[in-house]
Parts: sequence; structure tokens; C-alpha cells
Amino acid sequence: QITLKEFGPTLVKPTQTLTLTCTVSGDSMRTDGVGVGWIRQPPGQALEWLALVYWDDDKRYSPSLKTRLTIAKDTSKNQVVLTVTNMDPEDTATYYCAHLNRRDAFDIWGQGTVVTVSS
Amino acid sequence: DIQMTQSPSSLSASVGDRVNITCRPSQNIYNYLNWYQQRPGEAPKLLIYYGFNLQSGVPSRFSGSGSETDFTLTISSLQPEDFATYYCQQSLRVPRTFGQGTKLDIK
Repeated sequence: QITLKEFGPTLVKPTQTLTLTCTVSGDSMRTDGVGVGWIRQPPGQALEWLALVYWDDDKRYSPSLKTRLTIAKDTSKNQVVLTVTNMDPEDTATYYCAHLNRRDAFDIWGQGTVVTVSS
Repeated sequence: DIQMTQSPSSLSASVGDRVNITCRPSQNIYNYLNWYQQRPGEAPKLLIYYGFNLQSGVPSRFSGSGSETDFTLTISSLQPEDFATYYCQQSLRVPRTFGQGTKLDIK
């Protein structure tokens, strides 16, 4: 049984850097073909794909946010960390991490963590 | 980026109805199409992957069809727990874009 849970601050100030941690339980992130991704959802809006890291440490980023995003995997801790630099009020959203299966679908999601950007 | 257009944006239906939701990518994505359900206050849940494959544990009243630039999610007989928002997502290219969502509510 794979579970994921997001950890991070609920409030950040504009221009600050956001660091979110996703802890993955019940699965080895070394399994061929799998990965972990980050998706966000502003209040009342649609889902937005941000980044993902595969089991072999291959990484993919949303081109529109690429200069501000970093995703990193720590297999020994079963954690995936997302950093977002230069936060803006428009980055206010629920941030989800999700397990990517071998068919490139997010089959298991964390509960999400709400991040508000405000001074 | 591949743009994903869902229709309708919202839909009212009754328990027992058959419902179709359409997703049209801006370019051919073969069968690289996933469908998710999101209930209010909850994380999304995978329903269908690679166009037509039913995720384990998902009721068989859900089905996916289509290919290339025209996909459909069908719910054969709506149940009360199906009233939610549905998203399609392409998994061919980066960024793995989502549709804008279809909100299904009770008539």
C-alpha cells in the first residue's frame, strides 16, 4: 500500500522560496518506470502539472515555471522535495505530490498541502 | 504545450443517467490520456489511464474511449458519489497538461 504525504509551510511571503517535502511510504522509488510528481491547484481552479522525477533521477519541469522549480529525490529517505523560488501571490494553491505509475498516470495522490503567499 | 479542451465545462444530471464528457487535445496524443475524478475538498483520483484502461478498484460504470484528438469518459449509470469534477490529462509531452475540468452536479 503506497501512501504519500506533503509537508511544508502554510504561509510564505512574496519573493521567498517555498520548500515542500513529499514522503512516500510503502514503495521503493527505485522501482523501474515509476516516479513522483508535483501538481498544484489554485483555489477554485484547475490542476496544473509542475514537475516530476523518475526512478532513475530523470527530471521533467513545466517550461513556464522551469526557471523557478527544482525537484530532487532522496531515495534513502523515500522523499521528494520541490523548491519554488520567488513566490508570488499567484502561486497560492493546494500543492499535491503524486505517485507516477509505469503507464505515466498519477495513480496515488497525497492529501495536498495549502500554501498561501501573502505579506 | 498541448492544450486540453474539455466539454462541457459543467453538466447537470440525475442519478441513473448516462453521461459523456469529452476531451480534445490540440494535437495527436495517440492514447496517452488519463482521466481523474476530484470530489470537493479531496485529492484527485485516477479513473482511467492510457485512454481506456480502468484503474484497479474503479467501478465498471466508468469507461474511456477514443484516440488521437478525441476522447470520451462515459459514466453508464450515475451514482450519488459520482457528482464531482472530472479532469483529463495528456501524458505524451511535457508539460503533462490537464483539461480545465468538467463539473458534474445533481439536476
